[in-house]
Amino acid sequence: EDQVTQSPEALRLQEGESSSLNCSYTVSGLRGLFWYRQDPGKGPEFLFTLYSAGEEKEKERLKATLTKKESFLHITAPKPEDSATYLCAVHRPERTGRRALTFGSGTRLQVQP
Amino acid sequence: DTGVSQNPRHKITKRGQNVTFRCDPISEHNRLYWYRQTLGQGPEFLTYFQNEAQLEKSRLLSDRFSAERPKGSFSTLEIQRTEQGDSAMYLCASSSPGGQDSYNEQFFGPGTRLTVL
Repeated sequence: EDQVTQSPEALRLQEGESSSLNCSYTVSGLRGLFWYRQDPGKGPEFLFTLYSAGEEKEKERLKATLTKKESFLHITAPKPEDSATYLCAVHRPERTGRRALTFGSGTRLQVQP
Repeated sequence: DTGVSQNPRHKITKRGQNVTFRCDPISEHNRLYWYRQTLGQGPEFLTYFQNEAQLEKSRLLSDRFSAERPKGSFSTLEIQRTEQGDSAMYLCASSSPGGQDSYNEQFFGPGTRLTVL
């Protein structure tokens, strides 16, 4: 069965303290890896799509990278407004269906001022 | 607001009752998805529509669940004879038919929080 594991489950940072979140997957035939941000009581907000190993994408203080086995979401000099749950998801149509995404359980990030 | 909208935002019902949720996708999106999310977990895929056709259903979608998208625009998700285990956030997402750069990027609505007493 496809596995998407995110670590750590929770992370507390001081404002300005850079760190990385990890998403590892045990699937082959990956067709895309997606990062979302989710605030409490709201739906996930799309951040990035990565398709191939070595690919990187950036948005403000966030940078996502992808290898053959895992993805990292790097947060540089975070601010309190970056506090949220960060979810990663994989798309593997041959296994889970043409359009289904398989999500990890997320990393709950808290940035203290 | 041109994002995905869902109604109601919250629903409290008694066990055994039927409930129906509505999702209005982004207007130019022809693909629509339903997911379920429980506390502390990521969303789990339920079903997928392309236009009005329901093309995929998860094994999580038991016989008590039915989804429709009659005109290829809004969609409804009905749960019959609700059980306490149905309590969750029900999320709707939509995506455009786009090319490689926008392949399967799904945009989510705010969700409907269901509580079954």
